[in-house]
Amino acid sequence: NAGVTQTPKFQVLKTGQSMTLQCAQDMNHEYMSWYRQDPGMGLRLIHYSVGAGITDQGEVPNGYNVSRSTTEDFPLRLLSAAPSQTSVYFCASSPSGGQSSYEQYFGPGTRLTVT
Amino acid sequence: GEDVEQSLFLSVREGDSSVINCTYTDSSSTYLYWYKQEPGAGLQLLTYIFSNMDMKQDQRLTVLLNKKDKHLSLRIADTQTGDSAIYFCAESETGNQFYFGTGTSLTVIP
Repeated sequence: NAGVTQTPKFQVLKTGQSMTLQCAQDMNHEYMSWYRQDPGMGLRLIHYSVGAGITDQGEVPNGYNVSRSTTEDFPLRLLSAAPSQTSVYFCASSPSGGQSSYEQYFGPGTRLTVT
Repeated sequence: GEDVEQSLFLSVREGDSSVINCTYTDSSSTYLYWYKQEPGAGLQLLTYIFSNMDMKQDQRLTVLLNKKDKHLSLRIADTQTGDSAIYFCAESETGNQFYFGTGTSLTVIP
């Protein structure tokens, strides 16, 4: 049982490049989410999903796309990277939203630098 | 988004109690959480409290909630060097959207 896995661990992009951050969980969790962590700002929710085929925006969705074609995977796409997207990205999952949401498990993070 | 505020730093001596404070603005918060983050790692849920509770105790951890003042605290008894980490409080109304504080960096001095 690997829990929540994220790849890559580190990535450097040039401005304007695109890439996909991968997130997978093997716990059959319905709820998955993406956060970014910036110094002095805590974690901010980018997008979340309450099940396959269902996604919604969080607090800071601009510049990011998501899709949820399977229960296991929730990739985050940067279509045209900008220096303001330099951050540490965390994926998290939970059995479901609502009352069981306290059981949120976080991945180890992806450190992204955009030059 | 909702505001969740924490002080940035706290230093305590090993064996003392640590108290980490958090204030939030959303009066509709239903769930309130404390997470711990060690260097280079993701967040780990420490404990949580529902908004209809005033206190929750879990071994060395005590969570106090003052709903009137929108104030949440985490007390760690007999603080150890292994407790050195960043502690985040978070709140959610629906259990789908979460708002995190800026984190409090706890340093335990041997």
